[in-house]
Amino acid sequence: NAGVMQNPRHLVRRRGQEARLRCSPMKGHSHVYWYRQLPEEGLKFMVYLQKENIIDESGMPKERFSAEFPKEGPSILRIQQVVRGDSAAYFCASSQGAGYGYTFGSGTRLTVV
Amino acid sequence: GQQLNQSPQSMFIQEGEDVSMNCTSSSIFNTWLWYKQDPGEGPVLLIALYKAGELTSNGRLTAQFGITRKDSFLNISASIPSDVGIYFCAGQYGDMRFGAGTRLTVKP
Repeated sequence: NAGVMQNPRHLVRRRGQEARLRCSPMKGHSHVYWYRQLPEEGLKFMVYLQKENIIDESGMPKERFSAEFPKEGPSILRIQQVVRGDSAAYFCASSQGAGYGYTFGSGTRLTVV
Repeated sequence: GQQLNQSPQSMFIQEGEDVSMNCTSSSIFNTWLWYKQDPGEGPVLLIALYKAGELTSNGRLTAQFGITRKDSFLNISASIPSDVGIYFCAGQYGDMRFGAGTRLTVKP
């Protein structure tokens, strides 16, 4: 399966811990996007990355959240000192480039207890 | 930021009925897309529209890219139980923005 791979599928963290969400884009895709989905809501854009560059992080909270897409390896969305309000499904998508359609992964469901 | 208004929020229909949902925006987009999300999964692309006025079909699905580039609709004909899910419109001008979704329930 050469689709977008996200792991873990489910992640439980206690308040104050760190959450690390990983995304491996489709083969041949160099653009990665992260979205957050709260229950019963739509997808909210967080950040757009290319290899080693953050292109648009206008949807990222200013504190505790960071994202990277290193030259080698998956893209990582990191949430430090998690709070209950961070509980959500986090989806990663990849594309060949700007203007191309996105392929989504199955998401990581973060639960903060 | 770019806001997409998707309606209706939810629909409850009988199997066999046709469905129509739409999306409007105050911003112009180069591409309109429609995705479907099943429970516990990520969105899957149904139809992509690249030109103003374009009308595209994919099986029982038909979507149109509005002439003003600020709106799009999706029709589903002769609905079946597996059409159940959340349908999202998305507008793309660089990166992509999503509507809040239309939750479709199909009663057998």
